[in-house]
Amino acid sequence: AQRVTQPEKLLSVFKGAPVELKCNYSYSGSPELFWYVQYSRQRLQLLLRHISRESIKGFTADLNKGETSFHLKKPFAQEEDSAMYYCALSSDTGRRALTFGSGTRLQVQP
Amino acid sequence: NAGVMQNPRHLVRRRGQEARLRCSPMKGHSHVYWYRQLPEEGLKFMVYLQKENIIDESGMPKERFSAEFPKEGPSILRIQQVVRGDSAAYFCASSPPVRSFYEQYFGPGTRLTVT
Repeated sequence: AQRVTQPEKLLSVFKGAPVELKCNYSYSGSPELFWYVQYSRQRLQLLLRHISRESIKGFTADLNKGETSFHLKKPFAQEEDSAMYYCALSSDTGRRALTFGSGTRLQVQP
Repeated sequence: NAGVMQNPRHLVRRRGQEARLRCSPMKGHSHVYWYRQLPEEGLKFMVYLQKENIIDESGMPKERFSAEFPKEGPSILRIQQVVRGDSAAYFCASSPPVRSFYEQYFGPGTRLTVT
C-alpha cells in the first residue's frame, strides 16, 4: 500500500530564513510526487511535480529514491509563503488517485 | 473559466438524513475525483468517475455512499443516513481527458456537519 508521511504539523520560520518541509513516502514502484499548496481562503492548487524539475515561487523539491523522500525547499522564506502544504503521490499503475500526506502548516513570521 | 465549482459550500444535516454534494468540473474536463478530509488529516481518495462511468471506487465506504457523473449535469456524491463520523470536508477535483493525470484541479470543498 502506498503512504505519504509529513512529520511536521507546523513549521514556523522568520522571513528570510531557509525552509524545508519534509515528505517521505512508501511505495514499491516508481511514483509520481507532487506538492500542493492551500493559501488562506483559497482552494488547493498544484505547486510543483517532480517530473518537471521546475522551481515555482522559489520552491524546489528533489525526489530521493534511496531515502524515499521528496522534501520541499526554499532558501529564503517570504511572508506570502504562509500556507498549508500537502505532499501527494500517484502510482505508476495508471491509477489516477492521489495519496496525500496530512499536511504541514508553514508560518512565516515578519 | 470559473474553475471547479462545488455546492453547497456548507451543509448541515441531522443524523439519519441524506446529504447530496454537487461538483461541476472545469470546462472541457471529463474526469472527476472525490476526496474526503477528516479534521487534522490529509485528503483521502474516494472515487474517480468519467461521464456515466465509475472508474475507481476503491476509496468509497461500502455502505451509504454513492457517486455518479451523468451525461448532463454535475457529479453528485450522495451520503445516505448520515452519521456524526461523516462530518468532514469533501473535495472534488477534475482533470482533462488527456493522460496528464497529475493535473487535478480542485474545487473549494463542501464542509458537511452532521448534528
